[in-house]
Amino acid sequence: LAKTTQPISMDSYEGQEVNITCSHNNIATNDYITWYQQFPSQGPRFIIQGYKTKVTNEVASLFIPADRKSSTLSLPRVSLSDTAVYYCLVGDRTGGFKTIFGAGTRLFVKA
Amino acid sequence: DAGVTQSPTHLIKTRGQQVTLRCSPKSGHDTVSWYQQALGQGPQFIFQYYEEEERQRGNFPDRFSGHQFPNYSSELNVNALLLGDSALYLCASSLWGSNTGELFFGEGSRLTVL
Repeated sequence: LAKTTQPISMDSYEGQEVNITCSHNNIATNDYITWYQQFPSQGPRFIIQGYKTKVTNEVASLFIPADRKSSTLSLPRVSLSDTAVYYCLVGDRTGGFKTIFGAGTRLFVKA
Repeated sequence: DAGVTQSPTHLIKTRGQQVTLRCSPKSGHDTVSWYQQALGQGPQFIFQYYEEEERQRGNFPDRFSGHQFPNYSSELNVNALLLGDSALYLCASSLWGSNTGELFFGEGSRLTVL
């Protein structure tokens, strides 16, 4: 399983765009990159998943360069409610995989 | 459409006791994974059940065991509790053949061992 490295914490202000970068130098050909969000005392929630280039949904965008050794989660115009822990995960998404979480990035959004 | 439900939400045990935690997966899901989350840490993978069999296991001792029932619900059992077992225990359900592998988590069961 590819190991991931992401910043321990980040601060931002309401209305700003936040970019969280994750390094995964040993990513395998079959691996996908998935991001989860977790609020205190709740289980993590799936945000976005991608394999290469750019993926966008109603919540975030995911940028993956051609070498796939890193990825960037982009949250547009954050609000106070985006204060949470964000986890970057790398792994095969077929049946039988085990989803491994790292320490995550604690994002603090200030007013 | 009910999401993942876990019970109990909170419980307190003493060292040496045994505990059973329960999980009902999201409707339509057939796979259940269990995670342990200590305060300030990311969730740690315990094991995964599919078709009533343990399919994957993390680095947890045999004191941690589980079961999946024909209706896809699952139990996590922890024997001989240690103080270090105090944590939030999360259940996540998924569909084995899905094309995203997305996990849906419950609210968790917070276990305190005294």
